[in-house]
Amino acid sequence: DTEVTQTPKHLVMGMTNKKSLKCEQHMGHRAMYWYKQKAKKPPELMFVYSYEKLSINESVPSRFSPECPNSSLLNLHLHALQPEDSALYLCASSHPGQTGVNYGYTFGSGTRLTVV
Amino acid sequence: RKEVEQDPGPFNVPEGATVAFNCTYSNSASQSFFWYRQDCRKEPKLLMSVYSSGNEDGRFTAQLNRASQYISLLIRDSKLSDSATYLCVVRRWGKLTFGQGTILTVHP
Repeated sequence: DTEVTQTPKHLVMGMTNKKSLKCEQHMGHRAMYWYKQKAKKPPELMFVYSYEKLSINESVPSRFSPECPNSSLLNLHLHALQPEDSALYLCASSHPGQTGVNYGYTFGSGTRLTVV
Repeated sequence: RKEVEQDPGPFNVPEGATVAFNCTYSNSASQSFFWYRQDCRKEPKLLMSVYSSGNEDGRFTAQLNRASQYISLLIRDSKLSDSATYLCVVRRWGKLTFGQGTILTVHP
């Protein structure tokens, strides 16, 4: 069982819908991440939160809006997506920055998103 | 040039074989290094961290050469369950960057 829990596991949404992806971890990690993975490609970083503050936005379109309500939760709000946004969205957590430099990330099992 | 480059494979080997994967990274300021494994339609899972002194975990041995910016993974006595995509991963300032991945298929 993964220690990072993502919901929902699957999501189909129309281009005019608003939906949210949720991620939760209870490992005491203070850094959380959103990654996007297309088929047969490696994960690509979208956002990094460190101590509940957004520290990295990899030039992600504004139709993706992250939110970190507390140290255990991370949301990704979706609005007006395009079919090309269909992908596996992975949440991860880790010890932040230099504190956890030798530690890898723990990934959730992902939300498989289809935009129709 | 990509920040992390891997031999894409695919590698198709019989059970019991030894297989080696290679990876190079371009940024000398990279801080830490990992191998992840990803099964089809699953999330990446940490296989092992990689250190300059080399490290071993059972049948898996990883090595880092900072001077040449080269990372390797050796799998001995391959099992059917080793079939997966192996991702070389580099961490710098809290950001993980993944290589393209190497597909390994172990057959009976």
